[in-house]
Amino acid sequence: DAKTTQPPSMDCAEGRAANLPCNHSTISGNEYVYWYRQIHSQGPQYIIHGLKNNETNEMASLIITEDRKSSTLILPHATLRDTAVYYCIVRVASNTGKLIFGQGTTLQVKP
Amino acid sequence: DVKVTQSSRYLVKRTGEKVFLECVQDMDHENMFWYRQDPGLGLRLIYFSYDVKMKEKGDIPEGYSVSREKKERFSLILESASTNQTSMYLCASSLGSGLAVNEQFFGPGTRLTVL
Repeated sequence: DAKTTQPPSMDCAEGRAANLPCNHSTISGNEYVYWYRQIHSQGPQYIIHGLKNNETNEMASLIITEDRKSSTLILPHATLRDTAVYYCIVRVASNTGKLIFGQGTTLQVKP
Repeated sequence: DVKVTQSSRYLVKRTGEKVFLECVQDMDHENMFWYRQDPGLGLRLIYFSYDVKMKEKGDIPEGYSVSREKKERFSLILESASTNQTSMYLCASSLGSGLAVNEQFFGPGTRLTVL
């Protein structure tokens, strides 16, 4: 699985878009980008994943650069409940087994 | 609503006790996982199972065993609890194939303290 790099922390004002970057410069052609988040004292929660096209669901949007070496998770209107640690994971879709959660980005949404 | 439940939210045990942590999922998932999470170390995989009665060691299986007698239930057993097993234990499940195999659904966690 390719290595990912994320900033350790970010702040965002409530109601504004939160843009969380992830660098995965060694990503292979068959590896997907997955995003999870973990709210304090809860288990991680799957958010979204993508291969090369931008993806959107009810929780967030995922923008992957054309060279696939980086991506951005966008929470369009951040709320206080979005305060969490956000993890970017790169993985071959067909592989089962452990997910490697790095240190992630701690997003603090402020009123 | 899909759900992964864990038997206890908080648990306090004494050194040397046998401890059972139970996880149940209602999504008919093939894969089930046990992780532990410690500050500064992130999530580490203890064991996973891809089918009933099947199990695979993760990164840190020492001191643990697992049981999967039914598809929906995956138990983690600490044969003789030690203080270094004080941790947050997280169970997860996922489908066994296809693109959703890495969409793992996690339970709320069990915070185990071994005295």
